[in-house]
Formats: sequence, structure tokens, C-alpha cells
Amino acid sequence: NAGVTQTPKFQVLKTGQSMTLQCAQDMNHEYMSWYRQDPGMGLRLIHYSVGAGITDQGEVPNGYNVSRSTTEDFPLRLLSAAPSQTSVYFCASSYFPGGGRGYTFGSGTRLTVV
Amino acid sequence: GNSVTQMEGPVTLSEEAFLTINCTYTATGYPSLFWYVQYPGEGLQLLLKATKADDKGSNKGFEATYRKETTSFHLEKGSVQVSDSAVYFCALSLNTGTASKLTFGTGTRLQVTL
Repeated sequence: NAGVTQTPKFQVLKTGQSMTLQCAQDMNHEYMSWYRQDPGMGLRLIHYSVGAGITDQGEVPNGYNVSRSTTEDFPLRLLSAAPSQTSVYFCASSYFPGGGRGYTFGSGTRLTVV
Repeated sequence: GNSVTQMEGPVTLSEEAFLTINCTYTATGYPSLFWYVQYPGEGLQLLLKATKADDKGSNKGFEATYRKETTSFHLEKGSVQVSDSAVYFCALSLNTGTASKLTFGTGTRLQVTL
């Protein structure tokens, strides 16, 4: 099915460990982004990309890295996990510029850092 | 900066009741406005959108009108069903020329009971 695929769905990490959250889309969308969702805070933008080879920081980028080597993939790397990074992470994509057409979201990755 | 303010939840209604979820925004320029819905355990789905003043977005019995004079985009439904129970997010997007990023409200949980 066309859409945004995120893996894994659930993950538990120990403090200090690193990991990569995967995101792939098959809609040839130029724009991809990562959000984290925390209770009472809505969704906050971590990083985004407007095309292969181009990335930029969002509202809460500290502790996260991204790269965009292909149009389809936009992985999010946690360099050294901290309990404050316990959250639900969503990847989203859209056409560029995508403001008028809305975004397609993945089903999320629930991350717990202990 | 840009921001979205939603009424706090949870909103608890009986089936067939009328629903209003308030949303107001602050933005520099002329944003596109969205309502997204998140069902339990799932990612966000675009519910409806409006891209200019006085536009009315509608889908699945839900409606919202883009009111520039009051900077509002309230979500309404005439008769809710148990299956409408979810979290609803109001969001805006500005086409800045290099990227279009979504700014979300904090979400409003709707619970519909028989």
C-alpha cells in the first residue's frame, strides 16, 4: 500500500544507547519531516528535508541527526538516548511545497528510554 | 511566531450530540489550515483543510470554515458517533518558499458515549 512506513513500531533503549528510526515513503514526495508527540504538547518538529541531500532543523533538533540520501528514505538517528527522548515519533511527507495539500503520516514509533 | 491554540479536552459527548472544537491561530502571512484526526494507536490522518479565507473544508460530516477576521478554524459536526472518538489536532502551514512546515495545536481528545 502506498504511504509512509515507519519501523520499528516499538523500541526500548537504555540511556546512552544509539539507534535509528526508519521512515520510507513511495509517493515521490519531496518534503519529509520528523515529529515527536508528547502529552499536552501536541507534535513538535524535529528535523525536515525538502529533497535528497537537503535537511534542516526544526523546533527540537538536539540529540537527533538526519540524512536524506534518497527521495524515499529519511532516517532519524538518536545519538545517545536520554529519558527525555521517551516519546512517540511520527514521520510525515508531502509534495513540495506541501502546505496546501496536507501531509501523510506514518503510524509512529513508540520509544521508551530507561 | 506561528501558533495554534485549541480548546482543552477531553470533550465528552453522547452519541448524536453536536460537536464544536475551537481552534484559533496566529501566523505571519496567509496560512493553510488543517484538521487532523488520530485514532487510538494510529498515526495522524488528514480530516479536512482550507487554503484561503472563507473556504469551508468538509469530510465525513465534519466541517470547518477559515475565518480570517477572527483567525479561527473551528471544527463542527452535527451528530457525533462512537466511532468519532479520537484526538483532533488543528494545524497550520505557511508556504515560505523553501519549505512548508506544519504547526500543530496540542490536540483535543473527544470521547463519544452511547
